[in-house]
Amino acid sequence: GENVEQHPSTLSVQEGDSAVIKCTYSDSASNYFPWYKQELGKGPQLIIDIRSNVGEKKDQRIAVTLNKTAKHFSLHITETQPEDSAVYFCAASTANFNKFYFGSGTKLNVKP
Amino acid sequence: GAVVSQHPSWVICKSGTSVKIECRSLDFQATTMFWYRQFPKQSLMLMATSNEGSKATYEQGVEKDKFLINHASLTLSTLTVTSAHPEDSSFYICRGSNSRGAEQFFGPGTRLTVL
Repeated sequence: GENVEQHPSTLSVQEGDSAVIKCTYSDSASNYFPWYKQELGKGPQLIIDIRSNVGEKKDQRIAVTLNKTAKHFSLHITETQPEDSAVYFCAASTANFNKFYFGSGTKLNVKP
Repeated sequence: GAVVSQHPSWVICKSGTSVKIECRSLDFQATTMFWYRQFPKQSLMLMATSNEGSKATYEQGVEKDKFLINHASLTLSTLTVTSAHPEDSSFYICRGSNSRGAEQFFGPGTRLTVL
């Protein structure tokens, strides 16, 4: 089955700096890669996703890149703000969106 | 946008009792519901997948007789933790998906504490 690895487990940045979280996956059949932000005591919120037919996607301060050959994808947050502090999860799924395989999570702390 | 709600948001129960958690899709038809469990500082672990009107499919290691899942309508799925024990204390989260998979939304989660 699919195995998704996520690094780093914790990330501390100064407000205004950029943050990068990386994930790798093992199943070449995976073609949908969402990123979720989870605040304490809440369910995950989708922040951005990418499908395997594109290499990069941007939404304001957030971007995701995908390298299908190397089987890795990354989340980039620019101009970080304290409200970006949360746990971020990557996931991989196949076309039928059935099972999502989640990474282990990255706790991002943005220091004011 | 689409919203998935869960009820209750937090429940405390005595060991040996059963607890029912509801998951509702508010403005889309969730043909498939996924139930996850999340322990503190850990990732989401898929427990089971249920399609409306069908029996749920459980992941390996998840006791189907302990975690009863019902998905009788396109807007409601329930997870019942039977004879709950302290080790069942966890954060339970549902995810609804429509038939095309285009709508994928997590509920806000239910924190279960078993004393």
